[in-house]
Amino acid sequence: KAGVTQTPRYLIKTRGQQVTLSCSPISGHRSVSWYQQTPGQGLQFLFEYFSETQRNKGNFPGRFSGRQFSNSRSEMNVSTLELGDSALYLCASSLGQGREEKLFFGSGTQLSVL
Amino acid sequence: TQLLEQSPQFLSIQEGENLTVYCNSSSVFSSLQWYRQEPGEGPVLLVTVVTGGEVKKLKRLTFQFGDARKDSSLHITAAQPGDTGLYLCAGARVRGKLIFGQGTELSVKP
Repeated sequence: KAGVTQTPRYLIKTRGQQVTLSCSPISGHRSVSWYQQTPGQGLQFLFEYFSETQRNKGNFPGRFSGRQFSNSRSEMNVSTLELGDSALYLCASSLGQGREEKLFFGSGTQLSVL
Repeated sequence: TQLLEQSPQFLSIQEGENLTVYCNSSSVFSSLQWYRQEPGEGPVLLVTVVTGGEVKKLKRLTFQFGDARKDSSLHITAAQPGDTGLYLCAGARVRGKLIFGQGTELSVKP
């Protein structure tokens, strides 16, 4: 069974640009969550999508947005990039149900904003 | 404000030693998970605990969930170099939204 696939693996952008990251979940998983990981803040929850609907949202500005397609693939967009957006962006997929929900993470997209 | 406090932040030990990592909070969680992350990779789930007082064992790793479901610990017996990595605890208060601790960077030297 293929794991969670995130593309691209590395990305370099400049301030003010926008970026779109992609995540393909494990087949059959309907929930996709996005997290930002930085050395200072650790892993911070961005948002979760379940069956194409945003089900939960973290405390990030509106520049961070996402969507989920009918095949459960998800994209995350960051507009007007700032230096502080440099981070590892992780996507996780799960079945999206039950109390003992198991998250499966991708390897992440390392974003550098110059 | 960090809802989940992990300690210690860094741990460097020799192969064969025992260690304990703590994950504490003032909030109650419906479940708590432990992950291990290696450089360049995403976190990998080790265990989920859901019942207060629950103890789970995974080979040389023992996980415990506090009675009040506010804290957890991870104990590794006879650590090996392959245990090296970033250990993260994560609590769920709302399904689908995990709150992560800052992590414990473990280095086990041969």
